[in-house]
Amino acid sequence: SQKIEQNSEALNIQEGKTATLTCNYTNYSPAYLQWYRQDPGRGPVFLLLIRENEKEKRKERLKVTFDTTLKQSLFHITASQPADSATYLCALDMNSGYALNFGKGTSLLVTP
Amino acid sequence: EPEVTQTPSHQVTQMGQEVILRCVPISNHLYFYWYRQILGQKVEFLVSFYNNEISEKSEIFDDQFSVERPDGSNFTLKIRSTKLEDSAMYFCARGATTNTGELFFGEGSRLTVL
Repeated sequence: SQKIEQNSEALNIQEGKTATLTCNYTNYSPAYLQWYRQDPGRGPVFLLLIRENEKEKRKERLKVTFDTTLKQSLFHITASQPADSATYLCALDMNSGYALNFGKGTSLLVTP
Repeated sequence: EPEVTQTPSHQVTQMGQEVILRCVPISNHLYFYWYRQILGQKVEFLVSFYNNEISEKSEIFDDQFSVERPDGSNFTLKIRSTKLEDSAMYFCARGATTNTGELFFGEGSRLTVL
């Protein structure tokens, strides 16, 4: 069955450092991979989308890499700030339509 | 891009009761989705709705669930006979106007079944 795995343990880092979150998947051949941010009690917020033929994508302090051989995506937040504290979700298309399958997410805590 | 508006923000109901959750898009879109998130668990796909028809549905979306767009504007999720395990956050989402894959979620409706 298709699986998406994200670091189950929370990631604690100091303000100003780079946070790196991992998303691994199995039994998938996704056309694209997405990252979302979710704050407690709120809906997911879209951050970045990277396609299977793209190696890297950037948006301001965010960077995503996509390695279809390793079946892995890395999500980086540079110069992290306490406001970046949230849960970050990895999502893959379901190979049909535009519905997404989400990972469980990794909780990030940035301390001053 | 604007999201969607969901009502109610929180609903408490008795087991066996029918519940209707509503989603109102800011502007006309073709693709809509319902997802749910049980407390502490991942966001799970329920159903997608394209051009006023169900496009895809998950195993979770059984005969207890239905979706409608009754007036061409509101998009509703109906749970016919709620069970305790239906307690969750229910999120409505719309697809990007460019149909490039991104989803834009509402703030969710918290359903508590007693």
